[in-house]
Amino acid sequence: SQQGEEDPQALSIQEGENATMNCSYKTSINNLQWYRQNSGRGLVHLILIRSNEREKHSGRLRVTLDTSKKSSSLLITASRAADTASYFCATPPRQGGSEKLVFGKGMKLTVNP
Amino acid sequence: GAGVSQSPRYKVTKRGQDVALRCDPISGHVSLYWYRQALGQGPEFLTYFNYEAQQDKSGLPNDRFSAERPEGSISTLTIQRTEQRDSAMYRCASSLAGNEQFFGPGTRLTVL
Repeated sequence: SQQGEEDPQALSIQEGENATMNCSYKTSINNLQWYRQNSGRGLVHLILIRSNEREKHSGRLRVTLDTSKKSSSLLITASRAADTASYFCATPPRQGGSEKLVFGKGMKLTVNP
Repeated sequence: GAGVSQSPRYKVTKRGQDVALRCDPISGHVSLYWYRQALGQGPEFLTYFNYEAQQDKSGLPNDRFSAERPEGSISTLTIQRTEQRDSAMYRCASSLAGNEQFFGPGTRLTVL
């Protein structure tokens, strides 16, 4: 079963624009993670935000977390063609103490040069 | 240091054959995870280990799937009597417990 749902499912923008992706999840979490997957390549961890954090930055990435709404957003500023990829949010469900990650279906971002 | 490695990168097999997929995690990483990813979908959890102990195998689809990590490092995911529906990308990840997971390149399994 999938926990996170990214929105929109696909986004196409011009280089230099900002891209915002949203993730909603269902159960209580300890943290939420964002991953990127380039075509034909592996999953790359981007950023982790803990349940007691509201915002986190890493380079051109900005992640917010609203635990009351069970949602997170990923903002990529000044996008580049190399940002073209699928983006996934993933959460380790708090129940049971398992550290497995439950991924959403992903969002495909296309940045046009 | 080196990242997570997986072998083989591609595996084509005939229905009914057994396959063994290997994962070599980042040195020192306590936790090792197996996921399966269908085209256009996010990875789906299969099982994970802390050291050599299998902590959670709730994601294994059926008893044809098994995994081991006998010395707490390299892990093998075995699929017996493969079926066409087993075709997918199998991904391995490792982590220091409770932190972000680092994924390998995956093994693309095709069952004919």
